[in-house]
Amino acid sequence: QQQVKQSPQSLIVQKGGISIINCAYENTAFDYFPWYQQFPGKGPALLIAIRPDVSEKKEGRFTISFNKSAKQFSLHIMDSQPGDSATYFCAARSNYQLIWGAGTKLIIKP
Amino acid sequence: ETGVTQSPTHLIKTRGQQVTLRCSSQSGHNTVSWYQQALGQGPQFIFQYYREEENGRGNFPPRFSGLQFPNYSSELNVNALELDDSALYLCASSLVEASGTQYFGPGTRLLVL
Repeated sequence: QQQVKQSPQSLIVQKGGISIINCAYENTAFDYFPWYQQFPGKGPALLIAIRPDVSEKKEGRFTISFNKSAKQFSLHIMDSQPGDSATYFCAARSNYQLIWGAGTKLIIKP
Repeated sequence: ETGVTQSPTHLIKTRGQQVTLRCSSQSGHNTVSWYQQALGQGPQFIFQYYREEENGRGNFPPRFSGLQFPNYSSELNVNALELDDSALYLCASSLVEASGTQYFGPGTRLLVL
């Protein structure tokens, strides 16, 4: 019940396209849902986050869509750029602890 | 850069040995969380420290222990190292009231032979 399931495992998108990564959860006690971006050899960096009382949050080219009834949330990257190539993790918070998805390796082809 | 530093960057140990990893928090942050990230996987929560006390623990055995100091820096100690302990160990600092917003260091890559 503490799991966060993330898909796809890997994703290849053409430059300028839309990248979509999906996550699902079971624990209704989760109260905060961040997305992290990780480049090789670096620690994860917070990209964007949402609370469960909001259905959508947009920051620049990055949008989180949140469906509370379906217990799903997704990250959309608009106008994807080669510099967006990285591993993306969704996470969910419960009692100060972050539970992480397994990650999606995103490759943007020029 | 997040302002969170970790040392050492890389470490090689043999099975059965003990290791200490260090982390300096971002200025002003009172909470430190430690994670283990195996190759190709998401970070797994080890534990969190707030005001020098353990504030939560993941599914890791007692041979994983930690400390937080008055200046909010922290150590992760692992005793009786096993081959499966080989991983990237990440430290993240935050404010306890904003614990979902964590700032990560670059990690320590541990290899156990």
